[in-house]
Amino acid sequence: SQQGEEDPQALSIQEGENATMNCSYKTSINNLQWYRQNSGRGLVHLILIRSNEREKHSGRLRVTLDTSKKSSSLLITASRAADTASYFCATRQTTDSWGKLQFGAGTQVVVTP
Amino acid sequence: DAGVTQSPTHLIKTRGQQVTLRCSPKSGHDTVSWYQQALGQGPQFIFQYYEEEERQRGNFPDRFSGHQFPNYSSELNVNALLLGDSALYLCASSFQTGEGGYTFGSGTRLTVV
Repeated sequence: SQQGEEDPQALSIQEGENATMNCSYKTSINNLQWYRQNSGRGLVHLILIRSNEREKHSGRLRVTLDTSKKSSSLLITASRAADTASYFCATRQTTDSWGKLQFGAGTQVVVTP
Repeated sequence: DAGVTQSPTHLIKTRGQQVTLRCSPKSGHDTVSWYQQALGQGPQFIFQYYEEEERQRGNFPDRFSGHQFPNYSSELNVNALLLGDSALYLCASSFQTGEGGYTFGSGTRLTVV
């Protein structure tokens, strides 16, 4: 079973627009991470936000975390065609001592020039 | 600094056969986790190896087994292949419990016919 659920499942935008995707999860977490995957290849780590953090920035990425609602959002500003990929959230539960990640089903983002 | 290396890149096997996938972790990492990603889905945790022992296991049958060698590299073995085992198999390495983050390989695409 998957811990997280991303919304929307798919997103199509034009270059320069912002892309926002959301992730909801079910249990208490230690941290939440966002990954990008191009065309069924390996996962690239984007950003990690800990349970005691509310917002984090990295370049054009902004991540928020609301532990009371068990949800997170990833914002990509000024999108580029190279941002076309699938984006996954992954959680590390507080009950897990060894670092197992639980992924959602992902959001497919298409950025058209 | 080499990242995570997985081999082979692609593999086609016949139902009922056995397969071995290999993973070399990032330099400095001592823990290897394996994930299965079916088409259109998020990765699912298979198991994790640390100090040459299986430390944690996901909801996968005993047909899935693994090994970790003294140099921290790892193998994933799948016996009696089923059509449903067709997926992208991802290896992720980390240092101990992964507080410092995870690095994923590019994966092995397994097709069972």
